[in-house]
Amino acid sequence: AQTIHQWPVAEIKAVGSPLSLGCTIKGKSSPNLYWYWQATGGTLQQLFYSITVGQVESVVQLNLSASRPKDDQFILSTEKLLLSHSGFYLCAWSPGLGPGQLYFGEGSKLTVL
Amino acid sequence: QQQVRQSPQSLTVWEGETAILNCSYENSAFDYFPWYQQFPGEGPALLIAIRSVSDKKEDGRFTIFFNKREKKLSLHITDSQPGDSATYFCAAISPSSFSKLVFGQGTSLSVVP
Repeated sequence: AQTIHQWPVAEIKAVGSPLSLGCTIKGKSSPNLYWYWQATGGTLQQLFYSITVGQVESVVQLNLSASRPKDDQFILSTEKLLLSHSGFYLCAWSPGLGPGQLYFGEGSKLTVL
Repeated sequence: QQQVRQSPQSLTVWEGETAILNCSYENSAFDYFPWYQQFPGEGPALLIAIRSVSDKKEDGRFTIFFNKREKKLSLHITDSQPGDSATYFCAAISPSSFSKLVFGQGTSLSVVP
C-alpha cells in the first residue's frame, strides 16, 4: 500500500527566516506529486506539481520554490518567510496523469510570526 | 475569479437527515468533479467523484447529482451521522488543464445528534 508522509507536522517561524517542508511517498514508483496551500478555514490552492524527478512546474507564485530531488521526495522551501505564508501545507500524489484522484498527506501547519 | 463555487458555507443538520451541499462552476470544459472530505487538522480525502457524461453517482449514503446544462452539481448525504461532520470540497478539472485541480471554498457540515 502507498503511504505519504509529511514533515514537520508543525512549525513556528519568524518573518524573514528560511523554511523547508518535506514529503515522502512510499509504495508508488514515479508518482505525480503536488503541493497545496490552505489558509485557515479556506480552500486549497495548488502551488506546484511534478511528474518526474528534477522537473517541477509552478502554478501560483507565492515566493516559494519546490524541488524533487528523488522519485519519492518533494520539497517546498523559501529563503524568506512572509506573514502571508502562514497556513496548512499539503503534499499529495496521484496515480494517473492528472490530479483528479489525489491522495493527501497529513499536512504541515506553518505559523509565521 | 472563483471558478468553482460552493453553498452554503456552513450547514447544520440533525442526525438521520439528508444534507445537501451545492456546487456550481463556470468553465464548461470541466469534465471531472471529485468531492473531498476534510476533518480538522487532517489532509482531505477523496469521497466520491463524477464525470460529466453522467448525471448521477452513488456510493453508499453519498450521491452526486449533476446538471451539465446548468453547470451545477450537488452532494447528498443521506442518514447523516455525527461522524460526517467535516468540511466538504467540490473540485473540478478539465482535459486541457490536466495538471490543475480547482477547488471550491468548501462547505462545513455539522451533524447534530
